[in-house]
Amino acid sequence: EAGVAQSPRYKIIEKRQSVAFWCNPISGHATLYWYQQILGQGPKLLIQFQNNGVVDDSQLPKDRFSAERLKGVDSTLKIQPAKLEDSAVYLCASSFPLRQGLITEAFFGQGTRLTVV
Amino acid sequence: ILNVEQSPQSLHVQEGDSTNFTCSFPSSNFYALHWYRWETAKSPEALFVMTLNGDEKKKGRISATLNTKEGYSYLYIKGSQPEDSATYLCVLDTGRRALTFGSGTRLQVQP
Repeated sequence: EAGVAQSPRYKIIEKRQSVAFWCNPISGHATLYWYQQILGQGPKLLIQFQNNGVVDDSQLPKDRFSAERLKGVDSTLKIQPAKLEDSAVYLCASSFPLRQGLITEAFFGQGTRLTVV
Repeated sequence: ILNVEQSPQSLHVQEGDSTNFTCSFPSSNFYALHWYRWETAKSPEALFVMTLNGDEKKKGRISATLNTKEGYSYLYIKGSQPEDSATYLCVLDTGRRALTFGSGTRLQVQP
């Protein structure tokens, strides 16, 4: 079974530039997550999709971050404009259970390491 | 925002040492607890998922216990090896499809 695919693996940009990350989840997984992990901290949920609808984006800095999952399959996360504090690993994950009350096991991509200079 | 705490933040041990880490979580929001292992430049990998108070799970030299009433879980590694070097993530599952991560314990095993 193919895993969660993310690209690019690494990206270095200057502050105020824009950047986009792409994620292709495991086939059939309805739920897709984007997490941000800043060095020394645990991953923080940025946004969660159920199919192509947003379930939770309460911790997404909406003034500069945006995400979409137009056909309910792959997803893009964009930062515009980037700040120094956006330097982090951006992890995409997907999971299968469609209903509440079921255990969620997330499968992760390898992440995109973003450095903003 | 739920708070999942892990300690210690980092740990350096010698090959052959046994070690353990702690994860604390709000017991009122508990549905399941996951442990993931995350090696540098790789994807986090699921180790265990535990649901019942008193659960004990084992995988090779790694084992975990769960106390849902007091809100903690322990992860043990017996006879640490250099290949055990990784970040160990504790993740709370509230049954509402999103996961809350602890900050992780970074383990370094010296040969």
